[in-house]
Amino acid sequence: EADIYQTPRYLVIGTGKKITLECSQTMGHDKMYWYQQDPGMELHLIHYSYGVNSTEKGDLSSESTVSRIRTEHFPLTLESARPSHTSQYLCASTRTGTGVEKLFFGSGTQLSVL
Amino acid sequence: AQSVAQPEDQVNVAEGNPLTVKCTYSVSGNPYLFWYVQYPNRGLQFLLKYITGDNLVKGSYGFEAEFNKSQTSFHLKKPSALVSDSALYFCAVTNSNTGKLIFGQGTTLQVKP
Repeated sequence: EADIYQTPRYLVIGTGKKITLECSQTMGHDKMYWYQQDPGMELHLIHYSYGVNSTEKGDLSSESTVSRIRTEHFPLTLESARPSHTSQYLCASTRTGTGVEKLFFGSGTQLSVL
Repeated sequence: AQSVAQPEDQVNVAEGNPLTVKCTYSVSGNPYLFWYVQYPNRGLQFLLKYITGDNLVKGSYGFEAEFNKSQTSFHLKKPSALVSDSALYFCAVTNSNTGKLIFGQGTTLQVKP
């Protein structure tokens, strides 16, 4: 059972609001990722981190930002939400160097911006 | 309930030989099927997808996959493997109703020179 948690599960918010999507894992994983997924479509990597104070942008350009101040916590922030940000956001984590680096995914946050 | 099975934890092939990574699925309604690849030290990357139409789907890096409805399979293939193809491959499925992706457990592909 993967111990990676995302909150909130669903979020409906108005345009212009600042939001933070939370992601936490209790497995001590060093690598964490944020993916964006539109319904029925492929995942796109938007941010990743290989450890504390390390963050990188992913394959898909995103107006969101992330931080990694603690190993277990990898929050994603949108300073000013817009309807184009409506999507599902998935957080994932894994540990380096234990053979196969299998990803563990959170249950996702479905964001709707009105 | 939706599910995806990748029956092989690891697939080993010699460079230049054809490769197949297997995937079977269970989903209600019409399936949307995906393959993702994870190279060492990188996040998941999209390879290809099947939504509708031609059963043979071509994707990135010379990979292709064949949708077989009667066998509920979506095996990933490449005619000639490269050492640089060595990575972890995930099959995923969703349907138009839920939109939630269900991933297989992953298959490690090792291509030896």
